[in-house]
Amino acid sequence: SAVISQKPSRDICQRGTSLTIQCQVDSQVTMMFWYRQQPGQSLTLIATANQGSEATYESGFVIDKFPISRPNLTFSTLTVSNMSPEDSSIYLCSAGEGANQPQHFGDGTRLSIL
Amino acid sequence: GQQVMQIPQYQHVQEGEDFTTYCNSSTTLSNIQWYKQRPGGHPVFLIQLVKSGEVKKQKRLTFQFGEAKKNSSLHITATQTTDVGTYFCAAPPGGAGSYQLTFGKGTKLSVIP
Repeated sequence: SAVISQKPSRDICQRGTSLTIQCQVDSQVTMMFWYRQQPGQSLTLIATANQGSEATYESGFVIDKFPISRPNLTFSTLTVSNMSPEDSSIYLCSAGEGANQPQHFGDGTRLSIL
Repeated sequence: GQQVMQIPQYQHVQEGEDFTTYCNSSTTLSNIQWYKQRPGGHPVFLIQLVKSGEVKKQKRLTFQFGEAKKNSSLHITATQTTDVGTYFCAAPPGGAGSYQLTFGKGTKLSVIP
C-alpha cells in the first residue's frame, strides 16, 4: 500500500494568514483527497485532486478558501487561506488505489488559528 | 448523497468483553470499508467487503456485510487495550466506480483494563 508523507504535522497560525499543507506519496496514484476532521468527529471530504485537472470540491468548500494543486501523480498541496479560528482542525490527505478501492492516509496536520 | 449511519457513537467495555459496531445505509452499497483511528493517529484501512453476505476475519475481528448490502458490522472478540480507538465504516457515495468515500460518524471504543 502507498505510504503518505504529510507536512507540517502541526502549526499555530495567526488569523488572516494562509498555510500550505503538502502531501507526498511514494508511488503514483490517480486520485488524492483532502479531508477535514474536527476533534472527536468524523472525516469530511474537502476536495478530490486529480492530476492534470481542477480539483473537485464538495458542498461547503470553495477553491478560493482551499486552493489545491496536483502537479504530478505523487504530490498535492492544500492551502487554507485567510484563516480564522473556525479553520482550526485536523487536515488529512489520502491517496486512493482506484475506484472502489481503499484509501491510505497521511499523518494529518493539526492546525490551530489564534 | 449517500450516507452511512454508524452506531453506537461510544462504547466502553471491560477488557476481555466483546464489542460490536454497526453501519447502515438506506441504499445498496457497492462495497463497504472499515478503518481504525488510534487516538492522535490517522485512519488506517482494515478491510473491504464487496459480496452480499460476506464475512471476513482478522484474528479477533469479524466483519460482516449484509445480504442486502445495506448494512455491515465489525465485531471484536475479547477486547484488549490495543483495540482502543475509533472505528469508521466508509462507502463510495456514488456506488460502483466512485473514487470518493463517505465516512460514518465512527464508534469510539474505550477498553477498561
